[in-house]
Amino acid sequence: EAGVAQSPRYKIIEKRQSVAFWCNPISGHATLYWYQQILGQGPKLLIQFQNNGVVDDSQLPKDRFSAERLKGVDSTLKIQPAKLEDSAVYLCASSVDLANNEQFFGPGTRLTVL
Amino acid sequence: QKEVEQNSGPLSVPEGAIASLNCTYSDRGSQSFFWYRQYSGKSPELIMFIYSNGDKEDGRFTAQLNKASQYVSLLIRDSQPSDSATYLCAVHSGSARQLTFGSGTQLTVLP
Repeated sequence: EAGVAQSPRYKIIEKRQSVAFWCNPISGHATLYWYQQILGQGPKLLIQFQNNGVVDDSQLPKDRFSAERLKGVDSTLKIQPAKLEDSAVYLCASSVDLANNEQFFGPGTRLTVL
Repeated sequence: QKEVEQNSGPLSVPEGAIASLNCTYSDRGSQSFFWYRQYSGKSPELIMFIYSNGDKEDGRFTAQLNKASQYVSLLIRDSQPSDSATYLCAVHSGSARQLTFGSGTQLTVLP
């Protein structure tokens, strides 16, 4: 069974530029999560989807971050404009559904904002 | 007060010893508890989960949960150098409907 796929693996941009990350969850997983992990900290949930609907985006900085999962499968997370403090690893995870909290992570995208 | 607290370490144990990793949480309504292993530069990997009070064993790993004390732990028996990683405790609160992670404990197993 293929795991969670993410791209790109690394991205370097300058502040005020925009960037987008892509995630394809494990086949059949209805719930998709985007996390931000800053060095030395645990992952912090940004947004959670159930199929193509948003379940929780309370920690998403909506003035600069956006995410979508239009067809209920793959998802895109965008930052526009980026700030220095956005430098982090962006992790995508998926689970079978909302009732099953066993989440499986993709390899992550390491973002550096200069 | 942090919602999920872990001793950041580093924790060093000799090869073959038992490593004990601890985690406390603040939300009494928390219902499920997870341990993830994260190697340097890699993403978290789920290694154990526990829902009920008591112990749950899987190979060399044992998860222990005490909801009254709001405490969950992970024991690694016969520790190997390959167990050297950061171990993340994650707690799911039914009310918050999300997984909250601790900052992780860095474990080093010395050959």
